[in-house]
Amino acid sequence: QQKVQQSPESLIVPEGGMASLNCTSSDRNVDYFWWYRQHSGKSPKMLMSIFSNGEKEEGRFTVHLNKASLHTSLHIRDSQPSDSALYLCAASKWTQVVGQLTFGRGTRLQVYA
Amino acid sequence: EAAVTQSPRSKVAVTGGKVTLSCHQTNNHDYMYWYRQDTGHGLRLIHYSYVADSTEKGDIPDGYKASRPSQENFSLILELASLSQTAVYFCASSDATGGPYEQYFGPGTRLTVL
Repeated sequence: QQKVQQSPESLIVPEGGMASLNCTSSDRNVDYFWWYRQHSGKSPKMLMSIFSNGEKEEGRFTVHLNKASLHTSLHIRDSQPSDSALYLCAASKWTQVVGQLTFGRGTRLQVYA
Repeated sequence: EAAVTQSPRSKVAVTGGKVTLSCHQTNNHDYMYWYRQDTGHGLRLIHYSYVADSTEKGDIPDGYKASRPSQENFSLILELASLSQTAVYFCASSDATGGPYEQYFGPGTRLTVL
């Protein structure tokens, strides 16, 4: 059973539109959530991280976290074709080996011009 | 930015053969990881290490061994390669100070077992 579940599996949005991606952990002991972005044929790179309840914004990207429901979401406004990629959500616990991550299967985002 | 390199970048191996994937980081990071990526499975942790000469099992260690001869180098060894081990393998590293740490990934090795 996948401990980190992402939805939707794939998402198509027009250029300039809003993309919303979701992620939920079934492990109630997680403490940290991460969003990684992976362009086709490339390695994953961290996009944003969130550790506390609430919202965090960096440019066109906003991430929300509700620790009670263990749900995080990533919102991309004014989406660009260069945002087309696989978005991976990951979770970790402070009691684990520092940095040990459990990844979801990802959401594939396609932005069309 | 953290630099993690992997070699080879791609490899074709025969079933039953031995395969060694290498990873090198130049950022003085204590933690190193090996993941595999398959279509539809995201990234899954195979082995990790937080100090030289010591390795730990991740979520899917069966069929794999790891070696950390120095802080900079971390290898993944497939003693008897099988078809099911065809995948893209990523090495990553992270620091050990200051709280939850970003992982920096290498470019990946595409392994095909025939």
